[in-house]
Order: sequence, then structure tokens, then C-alpha cells
Amino acid sequence: KQEVTQIPAALSVPEGENLVLNCSFTDSAIYNLQWFRQDPGKGLTSLLLIQSSQREQTSGRLNASLDKSSGRSTLYIAASQPGDSATYLCAVPRGGADGLTFGKGTHLIIQP
Amino acid sequence: DGGITQSPKYLFRKEGQNVTLSCEQNLNHDAMYWYRQDPGQGLRLIYYSQIVNDFQKGDIAEGYSVSREKKESFPLTVTSAQKNPTAFYLCASSRGWNQPQHFGDGTRLSIL
Repeated sequence: KQEVTQIPAALSVPEGENLVLNCSFTDSAIYNLQWFRQDPGKGLTSLLLIQSSQREQTSGRLNASLDKSSGRSTLYIAASQPGDSATYLCAVPRGGADGLTFGKGTHLIIQP
Repeated sequence: DGGITQSPKYLFRKEGQNVTLSCEQNLNHDAMYWYRQDPGQGLRLIYYSQIVNDFQKGDIAEGYSVSREKKESFPLTVTSAQKNPTAFYLCASSRGWNQPQHFGDGTRLSIL
């Protein structure tokens, strides 16, 4: 059974710092990996989807990398801003279109 | 604007009562999903549907039921058999098996 782990569970950094969020998964036979952002009391916003054939995917100040063989992905946030404060979740497919398996998230606080 | 609409935003259930959560999408997506989110836990899959008139159980389907009579609608019923229904319920959709999932804003269900 696929398990997804996110480290750290919480992170607080000053504004302007670059930071890395980590995600690991136990079964490397994945089609893709998706990173989401969740604001308090809200639904999930899709940030990046990285295909199994890709090693990196970029959107603005965000960069996601994927290393299938080691079962790891990282989300790099450049020049962090207070508006980046949220919970960040990573998820991998359970199999085909059978839904996603999620990590528990990293709660990020950017101090002004 | 295209998106996923969940209603109501807040819902209260009495003992022995069934309640239905609405999820509507105008993205023309084939696949739809229901997840449950509890504090300190990752999202868990309740039910999913890849096509109209077809749906499958996820990891925690006991005490829940769904229907998929229309492509754009995937309502979730929380039955009285679900003994711990208090949670945040999220609906999602995607174009297909290797496409990003997009989420609604969620319904928070509480017990009176």
C-alpha cells in the first residue's frame, strides 16, 4: 500500500528566504506527483503536477523535482512571501484514475 | 468561470439522519472524487467515479453512498451508519487518469 510522508510537518521562516519542502513515497511505480496548497478552511489549489518522465516542473517562484527511483519529491519556494503561508500537500495516484494518496502536509508560516 | 461548486459550506446532522453533500462541476471532466479530511490526517478517498453511471469505493466507503447520474454532478450521502461523520469533505474532478485533480472549497459537517 502506497504511503506518502511529508517533512517537516511545520516550518516557520522569515520573509525572503528560499525554502524546500520534502515529500517521500513508498511505491516508486507512480504516473505523476501533484503538489497542492491549502489555505485554512479552504479546498486545495493545484500548484504543480510533475509527470513520471519529468525531473522538474516550474511555475513562477515554485519548482518541483521528482526522483522516482529514490521515492522523493521536493518543492522549492524562492524568495518566500507572507502570502505563501499555507499548508502544502503532495499526492500520488493510487493507480490509474483511482484517486490520490496524500501526505499529511507541511504547515508553512512566512514571517513578515 | 469553470470550477467545482460544493454546497452547503456548513452542514449539521442529527442522530439517525442522512445528509447529502452536493458537488457540481462545469469543467467537463469525466472523473470525480470525494475525500474526507480530519485534523492531523491526510485526505482519504471515500468514493470515485470515472464515468457516468459508474463509481467505486475508496479506502473509507463504509457509511457513505454516492450516485453519478450526470457527468457534472456527484452527490455524497452520509448515512446514519457513519458513526463519526464530523469532518471536512472535499470533492475533486479531473479530465483523466494522468491529469491534475481540481478541488472545490469543501463542506464542513458537524453533529448536533
